[in-house]
Amino acid sequence: QSALTQPASVSGSPGQSITISCIGTSSDVGHYNLVSWYQHHPGKAPKLLIYEVIKRPSGLSSRFSGSKSGNTASLTISGLQAEDEADYFCCSYARTNSWVFGGGTTLTVL
Amino acid sequence: QVQLQESGPGLVKPSETLSLTCTVSGGSVNNGDCYWSWIRQPPGKELEWIGYVYYSGSTNYNPSLKSRLSMSVDTSKNQFSLKLTSVTAADTAVYYCARLRLDRDDFDYWGPGILVTVSS
Repeated sequence: QSALTQPASVSGSPGQSITISCIGTSSDVGHYNLVSWYQHHPGKAPKLLIYEVIKRPSGLSSRFSGSKSGNTASLTISGLQAEDEADYFCCSYARTNSWVFGGGTTLTVL
Repeated sequence: QVQLQESGPGLVKPSETLSLTCTVSGGSVNNGDCYWSWIRQPPGKELEWIGYVYYSGSTNYNPSLKSRLSMSVDTSKNQFSLKLTSVTAADTAVYYCARLRLDRDDFDYWGPGILVTVSS
């Protein structure tokens, strides 16, 4: 199972919006609405941001949003804040009851 | 708030068995709504799903690791475990335990991870 493709890094200034892409295939992202996104500050537990492509866990800021078109899922963070600086990775359910992850994207808040 | 914490040796010799335990607090492993999972990330590489164990003891493993893997759950200690046999340097990674939601196929709680190095 191949990994999902994410950009290695993105950056933005406070208050701006950024979008991180996650490119899969017709066997994972394109086939199932089961894409999730996670925020990871090194040394801490990853945190779920988005599940089922567009849904946010209870209590999570609406600044985080997800979408999908074809084999590509996206995470958008609006109103960037300094504390958003972290690694972000995507995940998709894949055929044969398995899960595949993206390589991760480092977000720098300038 | 559910919390998970990995524990185990940080150094394992080649050809030996890697054993890790995940302790769950704030929730019960005896929960039919989720799978208890292991995920790893080798240095400089992407995350890799290893497998999961259900509270009943049933399991599902990544085919690439299946022949060397076993997972179990201990409801009395509220823990679940991973054993990976015949390890090599390629098994060096940060290992995470996580809760996989049955109804949504996402990992809603994770541990902070534990670095396991395979070296003599």
